[in-house]
Amino acid sequence: GDSVTQMEGPVTLSEEAFLTINCTYTATGYPSLFWYVQYPGEGLQLLLKATKADDKGSNKGFEATYRKETTSFHLEKGSVQVSDSAVYFCALSKGGGNKLTFGTGTQLKVEL
Amino acid sequence: GAVVSQHPSRVICKSGTSVKIECRSLDFQATTMFWYRQFPKKSLMLMATSNEGSKATYEQGVEKDKFLINHASLTLSTLTVTSAHPEDSSFYICSAPPRSSIKETQYFGPGTRLLVL
Repeated sequence: GDSVTQMEGPVTLSEEAFLTINCTYTATGYPSLFWYVQYPGEGLQLLLKATKADDKGSNKGFEATYRKETTSFHLEKGSVQVSDSAVYFCALSKGGGNKLTFGTGTQLKVEL
Repeated sequence: GAVVSQHPSRVICKSGTSVKIECRSLDFQATTMFWYRQFPKKSLMLMATSNEGSKATYEQGVEKDKFLINHASLTLSTLTVTSAHPEDSSFYICSAPPRSSIKETQYFGPGTRLLVL
């Protein structure tokens, strides 16, 4: 079946550091790929998405590129802030529907 | 943005009792809602799809008689954990795609922490 694998956390960075959170997937067909973020005490929020190969999703300084050849969708940000501290989930869906397959989540902690 | 609420946010119950968790879309209608379960350091696992006006669709391995789902209206779905046992302790999260939204758009509730003693 479909699956999503993302790097284990927690990840601790200093403010203004470069962030990469790796995500790879296994799926038949052409899934849509997502990054969700969960801030403490809040529900998951869509951060960005990409629906086809080579698409780049971007939002709030975060970017991820849909790489079909490596089945990856790595999340990057050039300069993180303390306010980016949260849990980040990589996910996929197929067929334009809303059923999501999630990765395990990666906790990011940004310190001053 | 659109808001989904869950109630309660945290519940502790005795083994053998039943617990009801509510998921509400506060400012939009949803004909479908999704229920997920999250174990510590594990991904969210889809349990079932709640359908307004019809039966819920359960994922493989999820006991439908154990986890009763009722989509009472276009803004409310409930998950009842019946005869709860300690292994049912988990974090339960719902999500709802707005009825009139573009595809692949959905909003998540903040989750309900269940502890069964």
